[in-house]
Amino acid sequence: QKEVEQNSGPLSVPEGAIASLNCTYSDRGSQSFFWYRQYSGKSPELIMFIYSNGDKEDGRFTAQLNKASQYVSLLIRDSQPSDSATYLCAVKGNNNDMRFGAGTRLTVKP
Amino acid sequence: EPEVTQTPSHQVTQMGQEVILRCVPISNHLYFYWYRQILGQKVEFLVSFYNNEISEKSEIFDDQFSVERPDGSNFTLKIRSTKLEDSAMYFCASSERSGDQPQHFGDGTRLSIL
Repeated sequence: QKEVEQNSGPLSVPEGAIASLNCTYSDRGSQSFFWYRQYSGKSPELIMFIYSNGDKEDGRFTAQLNKASQYVSLLIRDSQPSDSATYLCAVKGNNNDMRFGAGTRLTVKP
Repeated sequence: EPEVTQTPSHQVTQMGQEVILRCVPISNHLYFYWYRQILGQKVEFLVSFYNNEISEKSEIFDDQFSVERPDGSNFTLKIRSTKLEDSAMYFCASSERSGDQPQHFGDGTRLSIL
């Protein structure tokens, strides 16, 4: 069974702080890693994707991947109240299926 | 910006009936997917579709489910003999040239089985 695990939270950070979201996965053959943001009642919205070990930065977001540790993370710098949402980690292996974690609920307090 | 379009936004159906959920993927995308999300639970992969055939399906996607690309733009999910536990949000997604490309999601169809 291919599992994707996330801390369900809630994670609460003050406005302007760094939010750190973590994800582990069980399938060592996983190739592609994605972070989605999901507001309540809405569909998942792509935030970042990463394929190689190391860091990938896009604006206030940084994705970090460590395949040896089977660990992927998302850092959100200068967190804003509008960043309050559930963040979904998704992992894709060699097959055309993508598995999601249960998500971490982030609250950014003004 | 191109987007995935799903209809209807909300479908209410009697248990035992058949439903068809419709999706129009982004026009230059070649890979299509269906996911479901039961209220309060994680997003679950159902099926992926490429080159007019299923490329992968999950254990959830049993004989009750089928997918079809009836024309050049639509991608449909049919659920036969619906059960109460089929009530969920159903999301369609599409991606570009390969399955490794990021998937873009539609707004979803909320399916309510009575």
